Amino acid sequence: QKEVEQDPGPLSVPEGAIVSLNCTYSNSAFQYFMWYRQYSRKGPELLMYTYSSGNKEDGRFTAQVDKSSKYISLFIRDSQPSDSATYLCAMSAYSGAGSYQLTFGKGTKLSVIP
Amino acid sequence: NAGVTQTPKFRILKIGQSMTLQCTQDMNHNYMYWYRQDPGMGLKLIYYSVGAGITDKGEVPNGYNVSRSTTEDFPLRLELAAPSQTSVYFCASSYREGGETQYFGPGTRLLVL
Repeated sequence: QKEVEQDPGPLSVPEGAIVSLNCTYSNSAFQYFMWYRQYSRKGPELLMYTYSSGNKEDGRFTAQVDKSSKYISLFIRDSQPSDSATYLCAMSAYSGAGSYQLTFGKGTKLSVIP
Repeated sequence: NAGVTQTPKFRILKIGQSMTLQCTQDMNHNYMYWYRQDPGMGLKLIYYSVGAGITDKGEVPNGYNVSRSTTEDFPLRLELAAPSQTSVYFCASSYREGGETQYFGPGTRLLVL
Protein backbone atom coordinates (compact mmCIF):
# COMPACT_ATOMS: atom_id res chain seq x y z
CA GLN A 1 0.00 0.00 0.00
CA LYS A 2 1.42 3.36 -1.05
CA GLU A 3 1.77 6.00 1.64
CA VAL A 4 -0.34 8.58 -0.21
CA GLU A 5 -3.10 7.71 -2.64
CA GLN A 6 -4.59 10.27 -5.00
CA ASP A 7 -6.92 9.69 -7.94
CA PRO A 8 -5.08 11.00 -11.03
CA GLY A 9 -8.29 11.86 -12.88
CA PRO A 10 -8.53 13.61 -15.24
CA LEU A 11 -11.44 15.54 -13.79
CA SER A 12 -13.48 17.82 -16.04
CA VAL A 13 -16.11 20.19 -14.63
CA PRO A 14 -18.14 23.14 -15.97
CA GLU A 15 -17.26 26.65 -14.88
CA GLY A 16 -18.90 27.54 -11.58
CA ALA A 17 -19.01 23.97 -10.28
CA ILE A 18 -17.78 22.90 -6.86
CA VAL A 19 -14.71 20.70 -7.16
CA SER A 20 -13.69 18.09 -4.60
CA LEU A 21 -10.17 16.66 -4.66
CA ASN A 22 -9.12 13.95 -2.23
CA CYS A 23 -6.17 12.02 -0.88
CA THR A 24 -5.86 9.16 1.57
CA TYR A 25 -2.77 8.21 3.50
CA SER A 26 -1.51 5.37 5.65
CA ASN A 27 1.33 6.90 7.69
CA SER A 28 0.11 8.14 11.07
CA ALA A 29 3.34 10.13 11.49
CA PHE A 30 2.28 12.73 8.93
CA GLN A 31 1.87 16.03 10.72
CA TYR A 32 1.55 18.68 8.02
CA PHE A 33 -0.82 18.56 5.08
CA MET A 34 -0.57 20.65 1.95
CA TRP A 35 -2.09 21.16 -1.44
CA TYR A 36 0.08 22.31 -4.31
CA ARG A 37 -1.14 23.57 -7.66
CA GLN A 38 0.92 22.93 -10.76
CA TYR A 39 0.18 24.56 -14.08
CA SER A 40 1.39 22.86 -17.23
CA ARG A 41 5.18 23.09 -17.63
CA LYS A 42 5.57 24.98 -14.35
CA GLY A 43 6.80 24.14 -10.88
CA PRO A 44 4.33 23.32 -8.09
CA GLU A 45 3.18 26.25 -5.95
CA LEU A 46 1.78 25.98 -2.44
CA LEU A 47 -1.96 26.55 -2.34
CA MET A 48 -3.07 25.48 1.12
CA TYR A 49 -1.31 24.28 4.26
CA THR A 50 -2.67 22.92 7.53
CA TYR A 51 -1.43 20.85 10.44
CA SER A 52 -4.60 19.99 12.33
CA SER A 53 -7.85 18.20 11.69
CA GLY A 54 -10.69 20.40 10.56
CA ASN A 55 -11.25 22.95 7.85
CA LYS A 56 -9.16 25.85 6.64
CA GLU A 57 -10.61 28.36 4.21
CA ASP A 58 -8.86 30.76 1.86
CA GLY A 59 -11.11 32.54 -0.59
CA ARG A 60 -12.69 29.96 -2.89
CA PHE A 61 -10.50 27.17 -1.50
CA THR A 62 -11.16 25.01 1.56
CA ALA A 63 -8.76 22.39 2.83
CA GLN A 64 -10.15 19.66 5.05
CA VAL A 65 -8.18 17.19 7.13
CA ASP A 66 -9.58 14.16 8.94
CA LYS A 67 -6.70 12.52 10.79
CA SER A 68 -8.88 9.80 12.28
CA SER A 69 -9.81 8.61 8.79
CA LYS A 70 -6.44 9.54 7.26
CA TYR A 71 -8.21 11.56 4.59
CA ILE A 72 -7.69 15.05 3.25
CA SER A 73 -9.71 17.08 0.77
CA LEU A 74 -9.52 20.29 -1.19
CA PHE A 75 -12.74 22.01 -2.21
CA ILE A 76 -12.85 24.69 -4.88
CA ARG A 77 -16.01 26.80 -5.01
CA ASP A 78 -17.18 28.68 -8.11
CA SER A 79 -14.46 27.02 -10.18
CA GLN A 80 -12.86 29.10 -12.93
CA PRO A 81 -11.03 28.13 -16.13
CA SER A 82 -7.90 29.55 -14.48
CA ASP A 83 -8.18 26.75 -11.89
CA SER A 84 -7.34 24.23 -14.62
CA ALA A 85 -4.13 22.62 -13.38
CA THR A 86 -2.81 19.52 -11.66
CA TYR A 87 -3.39 19.49 -7.90
CA LEU A 88 -0.93 17.60 -5.75
CA CYS A 89 -1.56 16.69 -2.16
CA ALA A 90 1.52 16.48 0.03
CA MET A 91 2.19 15.44 3.60
CA SER A 92 5.24 15.71 5.78
CA ALA A 93 6.66 13.86 8.73
CA TYR A 94 9.87 14.38 10.67
CA SER A 95 12.60 12.40 8.95
CA GLY A 96 14.84 12.12 12.00
CA ALA A 97 17.68 13.85 10.16
CA GLY A 98 16.87 17.43 11.02
CA SER A 99 14.38 17.77 8.23
CA TYR A 100 10.79 17.12 7.35
CA GLN A 101 10.33 15.27 4.10
CA LEU A 102 7.34 15.69 1.88
CA THR A 103 5.50 12.75 0.38
CA PHE A 104 3.45 13.71 -2.62
CA GLY A 105 0.39 12.21 -4.17
CA LYS A 106 0.52 11.59 -7.92
CA GLY A 107 -1.68 14.60 -8.62
CA THR A 108 -5.17 15.08 -10.03
CA LYS A 109 -5.49 16.88 -13.36
CA LEU A 110 -8.44 19.29 -13.32
CA SER A 111 -10.01 20.99 -16.31
CA VAL A 112 -12.65 23.68 -15.82
CA ILE A 113 -14.66 24.14 -19.00
CA PRO A 114 -16.04 27.64 -19.76
CA ASN B 1 13.59 38.49 -5.19
CA ALA B 2 13.78 35.79 -7.88
CA GLY B 3 12.95 32.86 -5.57
CA VAL B 4 14.28 29.55 -6.86
CA THR B 5 15.92 29.57 -10.28
CA GLN B 6 17.01 26.58 -12.33
CA THR B 7 19.17 26.23 -15.42
CA PRO B 8 18.97 24.96 -18.07
CA LYS B 9 15.26 24.84 -18.89
CA PHE B 10 15.70 21.97 -21.33
CA ARG B 11 18.53 19.67 -22.30
CA ILE B 12 19.05 16.66 -24.52
CA LEU B 13 21.82 14.28 -23.46
CA LYS B 14 23.29 11.22 -25.10
CA ILE B 15 23.60 8.03 -23.07
CA GLY B 16 26.77 8.14 -20.98
CA GLN B 17 27.16 11.92 -21.03
CA SER B 18 27.38 13.99 -17.86
CA MET B 19 25.79 17.24 -16.87
CA THR B 20 25.04 19.47 -13.90
CA LEU B 21 21.63 20.93 -13.23
CA GLN B 22 21.96 24.27 -11.50
CA CYS B 23 19.71 25.53 -8.70
CA THR B 24 19.96 28.85 -6.87
CA GLN B 25 17.70 30.43 -4.27
CA ASP B 26 17.85 33.97 -2.92
CA MET B 27 15.56 33.54 0.10
CA ASN B 28 18.33 32.51 2.52
CA HIS B 29 16.68 29.13 3.04
CA ASN B 30 18.65 26.45 4.84
CA TYR B 31 16.76 23.52 3.36
CA MET B 32 17.01 22.60 -0.31
CA TYR B 33 15.69 19.63 -2.25
CA TRP B 34 15.89 17.95 -5.65
CA TYR B 35 12.90 16.09 -7.04
CA ARG B 36 12.16 14.32 -10.26
CA GLN B 37 8.69 14.17 -11.74
CA ASP B 38 7.72 11.48 -14.20
CA PRO B 39 4.34 11.44 -15.95
CA GLY B 40 1.66 10.03 -13.66
CA MET B 41 4.20 9.25 -10.94
CA GLY B 42 4.21 12.32 -8.74
CA LEU B 43 7.33 13.89 -7.28
CA LYS B 44 10.14 11.73 -6.00
CA LEU B 45 12.86 13.12 -3.71
CA ILE B 46 16.39 12.56 -5.04
CA TYR B 47 18.59 14.40 -2.55
CA TYR B 48 18.17 17.07 0.06
CA SER B 49 20.31 19.40 2.13
CA VAL B 50 19.71 20.92 5.55
CA GLY B 51 22.47 23.47 5.20
CA ALA B 52 25.78 24.25 3.53
CA GLY B 53 28.05 21.22 3.61
CA ILE B 54 25.27 18.80 4.62
CA THR B 55 23.47 16.58 2.12
CA ASP B 56 21.56 13.33 2.32
CA LYS B 57 19.87 10.83 0.05
CA GLY B 58 16.19 10.85 -0.69
CA GLU B 59 14.02 8.14 -2.15
CA VAL B 60 15.70 7.78 -5.58
CA PRO B 61 19.39 8.87 -5.33
CA ASN B 62 21.02 6.31 -7.64
CA GLY B 63 22.77 7.88 -10.62
CA TYR B 64 22.93 11.34 -9.06
CA ASN B 65 25.25 13.37 -6.87
CA VAL B 66 24.90 16.70 -5.11
CA SER B 67 27.00 19.23 -3.27
CA ARG B 68 26.12 22.25 -1.14
CA SER B 69 29.05 24.60 -0.73
CA THR B 70 26.91 27.72 -0.18
CA THR B 71 23.47 28.46 1.22
CA GLU B 72 22.29 29.69 -2.16
CA ASP B 73 23.38 26.92 -4.54
CA PHE B 74 22.50 23.23 -4.72
CA PRO B 75 23.66 21.67 -8.01
CA LEU B 76 22.62 18.17 -9.09
CA ARG B 77 25.13 16.11 -11.03
CA LEU B 78 24.38 13.28 -13.47
CA GLU B 79 27.58 11.36 -14.18
CA LEU B 80 26.55 8.73 -16.73
CA ALA B 81 23.21 9.64 -18.21
CA ALA B 82 20.76 6.79 -18.83
CA PRO B 83 17.36 6.81 -20.59
CA SER B 84 15.73 6.12 -17.19
CA GLN B 85 16.84 9.60 -16.12
CA THR B 86 14.61 11.25 -18.70
CA SER B 87 12.35 13.34 -16.50
CA VAL B 88 11.51 16.82 -15.28
CA TYR B 89 13.71 17.90 -12.39
CA PHE B 90 12.57 20.38 -9.77
CA CYS B 91 14.63 22.11 -7.16
CA ALA B 92 12.91 23.43 -4.04
CA SER B 93 13.83 25.25 -0.86
CA SER B 94 12.27 25.89 2.52
CA TYR B 95 13.03 28.01 5.57
CA ARG B 96 11.20 26.53 8.50
CA GLU B 97 12.37 23.28 10.03
CA GLY B 98 8.84 21.99 9.58
CA GLY B 99 9.49 22.10 5.85
CA GLU B 100 5.83 22.59 5.21
CA THR B 101 6.29 25.40 2.73
CA GLN B 102 8.58 24.44 -0.08
CA TYR B 103 9.18 26.87 -2.89
CA PHE B 104 9.79 25.25 -6.24
CA GLY B 105 11.80 26.35 -9.21
CA PRO B 106 10.43 26.21 -12.78
CA GLY B 107 12.04 22.86 -13.55
CA THR B 108 14.56 21.42 -15.99
CA ARG B 109 13.33 19.04 -18.68
CA LEU B 110 15.93 16.40 -19.46
CA LEU B 111 15.79 13.97 -22.35
CA VAL B 112 18.37 11.18 -22.53
CA LEU B 113 18.67 9.46 -25.89
